[in-house]
Amino acid sequence: NAGVMQNPRHLVRRRGQEARLRCSPMKGHSHVYWYRQLPEEGLKFMVYLQKENIIDESGMPKERFSAEFPKEGPSILRIQQVVRGDSAAYFCASSPSGRYNEQFFGPGTRLTVL
Amino acid sequence: QQQVKQSPQSLIVQKGGISIINCAYENTAFDYFPWYQQFPGKGPALLIAIRPDVSEKKEGRFTISFNKSAKQFSLHIMDSQPGDSATYFCAASQKLQGAQKLVFGQGTRLTINP
Repeated sequence: NAGVMQNPRHLVRRRGQEARLRCSPMKGHSHVYWYRQLPEEGLKFMVYLQKENIIDESGMPKERFSAEFPKEGPSILRIQQVVRGDSAAYFCASSPSGRYNEQFFGPGTRLTVL
Repeated sequence: QQQVKQSPQSLIVQKGGISIINCAYENTAFDYFPWYQQFPGKGPALLIAIRPDVSEKKEGRFTISFNKSAKQFSLHIMDSQPGDSATYFCAASQKLQGAQKLVFGQGTRLTINP
């Protein structure tokens, strides 16, 4: 039973480019969360999605950031026109229906903006 | 009110000693308090969790103590081992819209000296 998969593990972008981060939840999990971890800080909630629905995006910056979890395929976190302040580790977590407490985290994508 | 404050930022303990990490919260609606362990370059892994209706939970060498009136909880690692060296995060959440949006503390970097 594979865990939460994220790719790429490392992503380097220049200012103004787009970053696409992918997350495949654990098999049977229909809830996906995205968190951001700045250096030397704890994780901060960004968005919670179920299949084809954004349930809570209260932690997402209002501009340049978007997320989706389509019926087929991985969840995508998209950052347009990246800036240096977007450099961070982005973690995806998934949980099964009915067991919302159990969030299993992926290995993260480390985004570096040059 | 959504903050979780964690201390200390870093901790050095001798092998065999007891490691103690503390967290405090404000939101009395929080109903789930997990601890996560994170190794460098990896995602957080759930270590142990507690609900506010119990004052203590023990799993092997790991114990959570919970003080509801003081709005504080702590992680105790007994007989600390070098393999326990990692960053530890406390978190808190409440169920909203079917989601358990985790609010993380700032993290404690634990080093166990052999």
